[in-house]
Amino acid sequence: DTEVTQTPKHLVMGMTNKKSLKCEQHMGHRAMYWYKQKAKKPPELMFVYSYEKLSINESVPSRFSPECPNSSLLNLHLHALQPEDSALYLCASSQVVDRLEAFFGQGTRLTVV
Amino acid sequence: AQSVTQLDSHVSVSEGTPVLLRCNYSSSYSPSLFWYVQHPNKGLQLLLKYTSAATLVKGINGFEAEFKKSETSFHLTKPSAHMSDAAEYFCVVSQISSGSARQLTFGSGTQLTVLP
Repeated sequence: DTEVTQTPKHLVMGMTNKKSLKCEQHMGHRAMYWYKQKAKKPPELMFVYSYEKLSINESVPSRFSPECPNSSLLNLHLHALQPEDSALYLCASSQVVDRLEAFFGQGTRLTVV
Repeated sequence: AQSVTQLDSHVSVSEGTPVLLRCNYSSSYSPSLFWYVQHPNKGLQLLLKYTSAATLVKGINGFEAEFKKSETSFHLTKPSAHMSDAAEYFCVVSQISSGSARQLTFGSGTQLTVLP
């Protein structure tokens, strides 16, 4: 199984809503990532989890709250978002100790209205 | 520090002609290098990777890339373009960073258009 599965594929939420994005992998990878991608731009790193601990937070606003309940799951909790947060949110995973490729999910297309 | 420069934001080729997407990198250590492809409204799919083995790397869908350390380049090529190759392509460099988590640095992307 070389898949990273993200749900939902599409999400429309209001600025007062609370929602969560989910990501799952069963490759035994111990590093997991959240990226944000705006149209016509490369992905921007948001968070890195290594061995279920938050390793890197790229100065992301607190309205985005990551969570790693176990080594296979990664969540991104959303609250009080702004319209400019509308983007494709990508999850990825990789083996930690080797410099191997990251596997990406298909993404969640988020629209904030 | 590491960085990636994709020299062309847009490349247009005719179907059946060769493809060349250019990428230069800088890295403090021996890098791992990747090319990813992204079709519209989709996630990223790995095309090929270089991890200090053979310098000519073959990937999926007929793509290949050559690692040239002296030129700090990792250009992507394909002998004959197909309509389905039209997509955004990202060159990516990777190295170990803090906390033993690997960080990827993306190039700005090259939009490949294939004309009939």
